[in-house]
Amino acid sequence: AQSVAQPEDQVNVAEGNPLTVKCTYSVSGNPYLFWYVQYPNRGLQFLLKYITGDNLVKGSYGFEAEFNKSQTSFHLKKPSALVSDSALYFCAVRDNRGNKLVFGAGTILRVKS
Amino acid sequence: DGGITQSPKYLFRKEGQNVTLSCEQNLNHDAMYWYRQDPGQGLRLIYYSQIVNDFQKGDIAEGYSVSREKKESFPLTVTSAQKNPTAFYLCATSTDRGNTEAFFGQGTRLTVV
Repeated sequence: AQSVAQPEDQVNVAEGNPLTVKCTYSVSGNPYLFWYVQYPNRGLQFLLKYITGDNLVKGSYGFEAEFNKSQTSFHLKKPSALVSDSALYFCAVRDNRGNKLVFGAGTILRVKS
Repeated sequence: DGGITQSPKYLFRKEGQNVTLSCEQNLNHDAMYWYRQDPGQGLRLIYYSQIVNDFQKGDIAEGYSVSREKKESFPLTVTSAQKNPTAFYLCATSTDRGNTEAFFGQGTRLTVV
C-alpha cells in the first residue's frame, strides 16, 4: 500500500529566504507524486507533479520539487519565500496502476516578514 | 475548485441523524473521491469511485455510505453510525489515468450539535 510521510508539522522561514518542505513516500512500482496547497477553509490547489523524466519539476507560484528515487523523497522548494506562501502543504502519491491517491499529514508553512 | 461543487458549505447535524453531502462535477472525470480532514491528520480517504455504479471503500469507510448513479454526482451520507463526524469533508475528481492530478471542491464543514 502507498504511504506518504511529511516529517515536519511546521516550517518557519523568513521572507526572502529559501524554503524546503519535506516529503518521503512508499509505493509499489513507479510513483506519481503531487504537491498541493491549502488555504484556510478552502479546498486543495494543485502545485506540481512528478510523473517521469527530469527529477526537478517546476510548478505554480515559483515552486519546484526534486524527485530522488534512491531516497524515495519529493521535497518541495522555493528559492525565495513570500509571506503569501504561508499555508498548509500536502504531498500525495499514487502508484502507476492508477489506484487511490494517498496524502501525507500536511506541513504548515509560516513565512515571516 | 473550478468544475466541482460541494454543498452545503456548512452543515450541522444532531446526534442520531443521517446527513448527505453533495458533490457535483462538470469536468467529465471518471474518478471521484471523498476525503475527511481533521487537524493534524491530513486527508483520509473515505470512499472512491472510478466508474459509474461502482465504488470502493477507503481507509475510514465505517459510518459512511456513497452512491454513484451518475458520472457527475457522488453524494456522501454520514450515518448515525459515525460516532465522530465533526470534520471538514473534501470531494475530489480526476481522470482515470494515474498520472493526472486530482481537482478538489471547496469542502463542507460538518458539525455535530
